[in-house]
This record gives sequence, C-alpha cells and structure tokens, in this order.
Amino acid sequence: GEDVEQSLFLSVREGDSSVINCTYTDSSSTYLYWYKQEPGAGLQLLTYIFSNMDMKQDQRLTVLLNKKDKHLSLRIADTQTGDSAIYFCAERRNSGYALNFGKGTSLLVTP
Amino acid sequence: ETGVTQTPRHLVMGMTNKKSLKCEQHLGHNAMYWYKQSAKKPLELMFVYSLEERVENNSVPSRFSPECPNSSHLFLHLHTLQPEDSALYLCASSQDVTAGVYNEQFFGPGTRLTVL
Repeated sequence: GEDVEQSLFLSVREGDSSVINCTYTDSSSTYLYWYKQEPGAGLQLLTYIFSNMDMKQDQRLTVLLNKKDKHLSLRIADTQTGDSAIYFCAERRNSGYALNFGKGTSLLVTP
Repeated sequence: ETGVTQTPRHLVMGMTNKKSLKCEQHLGHNAMYWYKQSAKKPLELMFVYSLEERVENNSVPSRFSPECPNSSHLFLHLHTLQPEDSALYLCASSQDVTAGVYNEQFFGPGTRLTVL
C-alpha cells in the first residue's frame, strides 16, 4: 500500500517496556525514522536507522528493522511518564523530496 | 529548541480573511517544507523549497500560496480558507533535498490554525 501504517494507541505502565510497530511502503527506502511529538510541539527526531542495519540501540531506545516484511519497531525500555507523546514512523524513499509519515501512535504511560 | 521557529503559534481566521504564516530557520539549511497535520491523518506534505525554488507542490489548493524569499524564511499565505483547512501547519528544514541520503528534517512547533 501507499500508507505507512501504525497502530493508533498504546498504553503501558511506568517502568514497563513499550513497543511501537510500523509497516512502511517502499522496500528501497534508505532511511527510516522515529519522531516524537509532545502536546503543543512540533516533531522531534528520536532516532533513525539506515536500511542496511537490522538493529540500532541508543540508550533506552532500540530500533529493529525487518526489510523483508518492511516492518520497523521502536522499543522504549523502562518507559517513563515523560515518554507519553505521539510517535511517528517515517520513511525516506529514494524518489521524492520529503518523508512519508504514518498517522502516529499515541503512547500513554500510566503510573 | 530545534532552530526552526514559526509565528504565530495560534491563528483564528474567518473564511474571507487573508493571513500569512511565517517560518524561519537558523540552521543554514537549503531546503524548507510545509506540512499539514490534521487529526487522525498522516502528515501531508504541501510544499518543498530547495534553494528558494519550489520543487514540489502536492496538489494543494490555490488558496494556499507559499513564498520563499531566501533560504532562511518561508511563508504560507492564506486566503478564502474553508473550515476543513483547520489544522496544525508545520514547517521543517533540512540540509538539502537529496534523495536516498540521511537528511534529517528539523521541525518548528507549528501554527494551530482555526478557520471559522
């Protein structure tokens, strides 16, 4: 399909791990990104992964990439209430000028 | 603070008004973008400018008119908008628009537009 797909909502307890999943559209996409949007703010780049990598770890964040299935996931370890936000998956295709975004996953972290 | 600022942060306008949104980037980037973020929809790319030249216009109605006077400033001129144009308008910039390479986009905080 043409859309980057994400589940719309995820709720976790503080201290648990969160896993946000994404299916992207173009198997030739070179870079895949995770952006975070807090209420009233713009999008902030959290992390990215290059398409020749399977995994990337950055402190509490782990990104897994399955190119065969065009599946990307973001794992947040020891989730905190400050992690509550909307998380967007985006792909950088080989054609076109901009990023192709999903609709975003709203993460709610409860105490 | 991402280095991209947008003004105003909130705007309420009637359908017959004319207003402008402003974006400024302090990052020395060559590319700037306008996105529309509506509830429950993916971010929609509206316009892309590279070195002050428009390189993409994604079937945006003519009531939205972009202007890029230099590589640091981007405007979105609005006239005779419709209520369905109410949304968060996000500006972004990146080093350039080269496809297939890492090209982080830095976003401003957005302008929340309400059309009555």
